[in-house]
Amino acid sequence: GQQVMQIPQYQHVQEGEDFTTYCNSSTTLSNIQWYKQRPGGHPVFLIQLVKSGEVKKQKRLTFQFGEAKKNSSLHITATQTTDVGTYFCADSVAGKSTFGDGTTLTVKP
Amino acid sequence: DTEVTQTPKHLVMGMTNKKSLKCEQHMGHRAMYWYKQKAKKPPELMFVYSYEKLSINESVPSRFSPECPNSSLLNLHLHALQPEDSALYLCASSHHKSGDQPQHFGDGTRLSIL
Repeated sequence: GQQVMQIPQYQHVQEGEDFTTYCNSSTTLSNIQWYKQRPGGHPVFLIQLVKSGEVKKQKRLTFQFGEAKKNSSLHITATQTTDVGTYFCADSVAGKSTFGDGTTLTVKP
Repeated sequence: DTEVTQTPKHLVMGMTNKKSLKCEQHMGHRAMYWYKQKAKKPPELMFVYSYEKLSINESVPSRFSPECPNSSLLNLHLHALQPEDSALYLCASSHHKSGDQPQHFGDGTRLSIL
């Protein structure tokens, strides 16, 4: 996999506020996967984006893949306390997955 | 609950011990993975097995020895580990090795080296 940079490293929000994490690569990605890891848990697959400019939604989560396939974002609308955890993007090529450093989200009730 | 089962959940061992981590999945997946994850860091790929054959070794020290006895099982044999090897070891599986397959992770084994 290629190196993917993820920002911000940490995000603290008040419950009900929105949250966005960004994933960037210097080279074109074949696809991008997003995972969520709750504190003390294991990564759980959320979604995969493959096509240029692709946008996918899962309830309050919106995932985007850039037109150049070099960046991706995950946006959560109206955060809830159940959204806490670390969100990772991952580039995967022929089984070799490289994870971004992750964005850790904390939500204050 | 996860469909990938890892045992043990916790392991404490001395630097001279030999132990094994076990991983099992019954989803019919033909690719299985070992990752190492340090606190507040992303998972780092160690090994990939595809159809029971070692496909990728990310230059992992020989004190870690993977084994895939059959399509459902993956082991990681440990010998003469160092304190810096203390970490969460995650097993994952996917339908195939290709990059467009989501990976299903186990709960991990939390390893401490004394």
